[in-house]
Amino acid sequence: AIRITQSPSSLSASTGDRVTITCRASQGISSYLAWYQQKPGKAPKLLIYAASTLQSGVPSRFSGSGSGTDFTLTISCLQSEDFATYYCQQYYSPDGVTFGGGTKVEIK
Amino acid sequence: QVTLKESGPVLVKPTETLTLTCTVSGFSLSNARMGVSWIRQPPGKALEWLAHIFSNDEKSYSTSLKSRLTISKDTSKSQVVLTMTNMDPVDTATYYCARIPRHTATTFDYWGQGTLVTVSS
Repeated sequence: AIRITQSPSSLSASTGDRVTITCRASQGISSYLAWYQQKPGKAPKLLIYAASTLQSGVPSRFSGSGSGTDFTLTISCLQSEDFATYYCQQYYSPDGVTFGGGTKVEIK
Repeated sequence: QVTLKESGPVLVKPTETLTLTCTVSGFSLSNARMGVSWIRQPPGKALEWLAHIFSNDEKSYSTSLKSRLTISKDTSKSQVVLTMTNMDPVDTATYYCARIPRHTATTFDYWGQGTLVTVSS
């Protein structure tokens, strides 16, 4: 099974900061990677798919990059509503999808 | 408007079988491009994909849980059902169903609110 390692597991940042979260796959997954945002008590929300394609309605301050094994989610100017936990997910493997362990973005 | 809603027991005993139902609206389970998946999340932990099913009845299961899971659908009722046998306290989690918008890309664009299932005697 393809393992996804997400880092950091948590970070503290201030409103207006630029935030970067990374995911590394245990083998090449081309661009078959998605990013989700989850707020406490809520279901995850799809932000980005195909590594860099913004889901409809998602603010442009969110961006994704990478291919192969290394991927990045960037929030260019952190807003108050962006404090949440973020997950990456690979969907390359025919054995099924796997999620990263999550990154909690907290207020500094 | 696309919605998904999970239903099922909130409490099950160890060794029992869990049956969860996902009722969808705003799209059809007969849509050739779409599917529905089940995903769970233990309290304070990460997401774990369980299974998915497409309109052509193609199914896929988590390798680690495959022996315990069965997914099925009733297109006329707009429902997807997941059964998990031999429940254990480690299976305590919020269980989500989610829509897969493209058969060729298993991402999840709409999610249900989730249902918390506790496994305890």
